[in-house]
Amino acid sequence: NAGVTQTPKFRVLKTGQSMTLLCAQDMNHEYMYWYRQDPGMGLRLIHYSVGEGTTAKGEVPDGYNVSRLKKQNFLLGLESAAPSQTSVYFCASGGQYNSPLHFGNGTRLTVT
Amino acid sequence: RKEVEQDPGPFNVPEGATVAFNCTYSNSASQSFFWYRQDCRKEPKLLMSVYSSGNEDGRFTAQLNRASQYISLLIRDSKLSDSATYLCVAPETYKYIFGTGTRLKVLA
Repeated sequence: NAGVTQTPKFRVLKTGQSMTLLCAQDMNHEYMYWYRQDPGMGLRLIHYSVGEGTTAKGEVPDGYNVSRLKKQNFLLGLESAAPSQTSVYFCASGGQYNSPLHFGNGTRLTVT
Repeated sequence: RKEVEQDPGPFNVPEGATVAFNCTYSNSASQSFFWYRQDCRKEPKLLMSVYSSGNEDGRFTAQLNRASQYISLLIRDSKLSDSATYLCVAPETYKYIFGTGTRLKVLA
C-alpha cells in the first residue's frame, strides 16, 4: 500500500533552472496539497487542489505553479529556481472534507 | 492574527512527566482539528483527530475549547520516544493551515 509517493526524494538545482516535483496517491483522494518547510518553521501551504482539473493558491504561492490533470497526481513546478526556494517539500492528500491529511516522505530541494 | 498559533517551545520535561500544549485558531467555523507528530523534518504523522469536545488515546488526550478557540494536547507519563515536534491544524474549508509546531524534548 504505497499511500502518497513523492519523486524525486532529493534534488540540487542551479539558480534559474526549472523542475517539476511529482506527487502520486493511490487512495482515490479528492484533495491534494503542496507544502514547504524551512528550518525552524512549520508547514506553509503553497497550492492545493480539491479535485481533478482544479487548483488554488495557498499561503506562499509565488514562484510555483501546479497542475492536477489526473486525480491521482499533483505536480509542483518551479519555472526559475531561486535560492529562497531551498526547502523540504511535502505533498499530502485527503479523502473527505474535514478528514486528516496523509503525507508523502518529502523532497529535499537545494538551489545553489 | 495567524490562522493557527502554537508556542514553539522547546518544552524540556523529565521522563514520566505530564506536559500540555495549546493551539489557538482564528476561524470559528472550523469543524475538525488534528494533532500531528513530526520527527526531525520527516513527514508529519497523524497523532489524533478532534471532532467534538475531545479525544483520548492511551497517554494522549486532546481537548477542544470552542468558546476560547483553542485545542490542547496532554501527554501523560512522557517517554523519551515522545521527543518530537507536535503540529496542530484547524482546516478552513479545504485549506489546511498548520501551526508552526511545538517542540518537545523528554529528558532521561
